[in-house]
Amino acid sequence: AQTVTQSQPEMSVQEAETVTLSCTYDTSESDYYLFWYKQPPSRQMILVIRQEAYKQQNATENRFSVNFQKAAKSFSLKISDSQLGDAAMYFCAYRSASDAGNMLTFGGGTRLMVKP
Amino acid sequence: DGGITQSPKYLFRKEGQNVTLSCEQNLNHDAMYWYRQDPGQGLRLIYYSQIVNDFQKGDIAEGYSVSREKKESFPLTVTSAQKNPTAFYLCASSIELAGGPITGELFFGEGSRLTVL
Repeated sequence: AQTVTQSQPEMSVQEAETVTLSCTYDTSESDYYLFWYKQPPSRQMILVIRQEAYKQQNATENRFSVNFQKAAKSFSLKISDSQLGDAAMYFCAYRSASDAGNMLTFGGGTRLMVKP
Repeated sequence: DGGITQSPKYLFRKEGQNVTLSCEQNLNHDAMYWYRQDPGQGLRLIYYSQIVNDFQKGDIAEGYSVSREKKESFPLTVTSAQKNPTAFYLCASSIELAGGPITGELFFGEGSRLTVL
């Protein structure tokens, strides 16, 4: 079974600075997808960024980018120019490409605090 | 607006009682999911359904039951057999179907917090 580990329960960052959230995963598969989801205090979780394992290029979405190291099974999220609205729980998630449905395995989450 | 609606937002239950959490979506998604969220454990899959009148157990289905009589609705019942039901419950839906393009995107409701007294 796949497992996803987020070793940082809490992180804090000063507004306008950069922060990196860590995620490692364990899988024996070669084809899979990785995601970062954001859960703001309002609780409605949204997808932040997606990475296909077969792509070497790291995904970017505006201020959000990932550092995907397939051999190390590492998938970190970098938030640049942090804003107060970035304060939330962030979950790393894994999806096997061979699964019949869209079942994701989530990590335990990292709470990000943004200081003004 | 399209989205997922969960109700109630807060629910209290006495030991030995069954409770049902509602989940309705108007996104026209075929697939729906129930996750349980506990501090430090992330989200764990309880049940999922990819089509009306069909559903499968997830990783922690014991003590829970679901139905999928309509595409828009996927209610979750927490039964008295669930030994530790106090948690935050999230319903989600996905446009992704088996054999189709992979998106990995789940659309979530705002959640229901269940507390056992």
